[in-house]
Amino acid sequence: GIQVEQSPPDLILQEGANSTLRCNFSDSVNNLQWFHQNPWGQLINLFYIPSGTKQNGRLSATTVATERYSLLYISSSQTTDSGVYFCAAYNNDMRFGAGTRLTVKP
Amino acid sequence: GAVVSQHPSRVICKSGTSVKIECRSLDFQATTMFWYRQFPKQSLMLMATSNEGSKATYEQGVEKDKFLINHASLTLSTLTVTSAHPEDSSFYICSARGRFSYEQYFGPGTRLTVT
Repeated sequence: GIQVEQSPPDLILQEGANSTLRCNFSDSVNNLQWFHQNPWGQLINLFYIPSGTKQNGRLSATTVATERYSLLYISSSQTTDSGVYFCAAYNNDMRFGAGTRLTVKP
Repeated sequence: GAVVSQHPSRVICKSGTSVKIECRSLDFQATTMFWYRQFPKQSLMLMATSNEGSKATYEQGVEKDKFLINHASLTLSTLTVTSAHPEDSSFYICSARGRFSYEQYFGPGTRLTVT
C-alpha cells in the first residue's frame, strides 16, 4: 500500500514565525488532503490538493505529484495554529502520515 | 457545507457490553463512509470502508464480527463494538465522501472507554 511520511515529527515555533511541513508519498496518487487536528480531536480540512498550489489566508499548500511530495506553508504563525497536522495521500482508501505536532509559543 | 456529525462524543461502557456509534452526513449524501481508529499520540488507522447499501470492507486485522458496520442510508453509518474489552478503548472517527468527489470530511470523533 501507499506509504506516507511527514516531516518534521515535531516543530516548536515562536508566534509570528513561518514554517514548512513536508509530506512524501511512495506511489502515484490521485488525491491528497491536509488536515489540522485540534486539541479536541476534530480533523479540520485545510486543503484538498492532488496537484498544484492553493492558498487560504496564512496557509498555502503545494503538491508536486510527479515527484510525490506536498508542502504545507504556515506564515505568521499564531498560538491557535498549535496541534497536529496530517497529510493523507490516496487513490481510494485514505492513508495518513504520522503527523507533525506543531507548538506555537506566545 | 460538508458537515459530518458523530454521536456520542464520549462513552464509557463495561467490559462485555456493546456500544453503537452513529455517523451522519448532515448536508450531503455520503455514498461512501469510512471508520478510523486513533490511539493516543498516533495517526489514524483505517478500519473499514462502507458503501451505501453494501457490506463493509474491512482492513486486514480488523475483526468484522467485533466491529459491525452498517451503512443503511446515504446519510447514516453506524459502528457497533460488540463484547467490548478494555483494549478496544480508543478514539473512533468517521469520515464521509459524496458521489462526485474524493474529498473526505471527518466527524468530531467518539472517545470510547471500556472499564
